[in-house]
Amino acid sequence: GAVVSQHPSRVICKSGTSVKIECRSLDFQATTMFWYRQFPKQSLMLMATSNEGSKATYEQGVEKDKFLINHASLTLSTLTVTSAHPEDSSFYICSARAPASGLAGQETQYFGPGTRLLVL
Amino acid sequence: GNSVTQMEGPVTLSEEAFLTINCTYTATGYPSLFWYVQYPGEGLQLLLKATKADDKGSNKGFEATYRKETTSFHLEKGSVQVSDSAVYFCALGSGGFKTIFGAGTRLFVKA
Repeated sequence: GAVVSQHPSRVICKSGTSVKIECRSLDFQATTMFWYRQFPKQSLMLMATSNEGSKATYEQGVEKDKFLINHASLTLSTLTVTSAHPEDSSFYICSARAPASGLAGQETQYFGPGTRLLVL
Repeated sequence: GNSVTQMEGPVTLSEEAFLTINCTYTATGYPSLFWYVQYPGEGLQLLLKATKADDKGSNKGFEATYRKETTSFHLEKGSVQVSDSAVYFCALGSGGFKTIFGAGTRLFVKA
């Protein structure tokens, strides 16, 4: 099946630094990718929708200058947490929208394994 | 707005026990409903889905029926295995592939 990878899987950084997380679709082209955030023992919250070649669409309450999203190619989207602070520590998960396949295929969304960010 | 509520965990069962994880939703229109599973250290995987009322999604022995009258999509399995230990997320698909997730229910299955 389709695979989505994320890099790094885990990152620890100092407060005030910026961290970039990559999301790649490995065997399909994804015009749309999504970035989610998951706090411990809580649900996934959609942060933004990343569209190849255009600006990302952010959900209400998500600071676009804080969480920079770049979808430069059909297989790569990046999330940069700028000037990270301890409250940004979380589990960040991306997903990619795969095109329909087969006669009765439907578009499907595939999730990456997540990136755990710890800001000290 | 749209939302998903699922039973709190953790749920601990013995092998071969019957599993039910409750999920109810609030939505306008006719959303698609999903169950995702997250095994330790891995990403989310789609377990099953249903796209309209009375549809039954099934996969790997798990089943869930889209009940519009009760706005529910409860997950069931007749006989769980240790390998089913994971976190299960109920989710609702709204327009444009946006997915709203429940809080997740952790399942532990003991041998």
